[in-house]
Amino acid sequence: DADVTQTPRNRITKTGKRIMLECSQTKGHDRMYWYRQDPGLGLRLIYYSFDVKDINKGEISDGYSVSRQAQAKFSLSLESAIPNQTALYFCATSGDRGDYGYTFGSGTRLTVV
Amino acid sequence: QKEVEQNSGPLSVPEGAIASLNCTYSDRGSQSFFWYRQYSGKSPELIMSIYSNGDKEDGRFTAQLNKASQYVSLLIRDSQPSDSATYLCAVRGGSYIPTFGRGTSLIVHP
Repeated sequence: DADVTQTPRNRITKTGKRIMLECSQTKGHDRMYWYRQDPGLGLRLIYYSFDVKDINKGEISDGYSVSRQAQAKFSLSLESAIPNQTALYFCATSGDRGDYGYTFGSGTRLTVV
Repeated sequence: QKEVEQNSGPLSVPEGAIASLNCTYSDRGSQSFFWYRQYSGKSPELIMSIYSNGDKEDGRFTAQLNKASQYVSLLIRDSQPSDSATYLCAVRGGSYIPTFGRGTSLIVHP
């Protein structure tokens, strides 16, 4: 099994719908992150969590919310999806301080029509 | 605003050549430096990390760090077509959240 599992892998949804992307990890890491990737814009941080009780906004949190249900689970929600949220979404984990880099999930390709 | 700059490319090299990928960063307090490889439509994969000035070698990959010049590079020796991918530079400062560059596309042609 993958260290970081994201579901679904692909999703097409309509404008205005609520959608949840899920992430679970078996690395035993406390730190988890959500990024989106758009062509030419690189990886942009949406939210991050350093432990179950710690949730922080990243650089592009508007229109998104998150829930850290357990050490191993971190979900991302789009309350009312809009077309410019069409992107590739990645969940990632890291150990303390992130000194050993991230482990990324395989990604969710989201299309909002 | 902490910035990490990479040439978007594409960088095209022949098979067997050395590919040189470069990255500059703005935060002088940066402490950890990473190179990720990302194939099209796939997730980034960590291939090298470096923390102190100088070179670090791992197989065909060498990471080079020069903190005075705020410059980190990745050399790929004996480049193979399977090395064709986008390479992301990431730099971590005191906030423990790394900043990613936009990536350099590498094409290794037979």
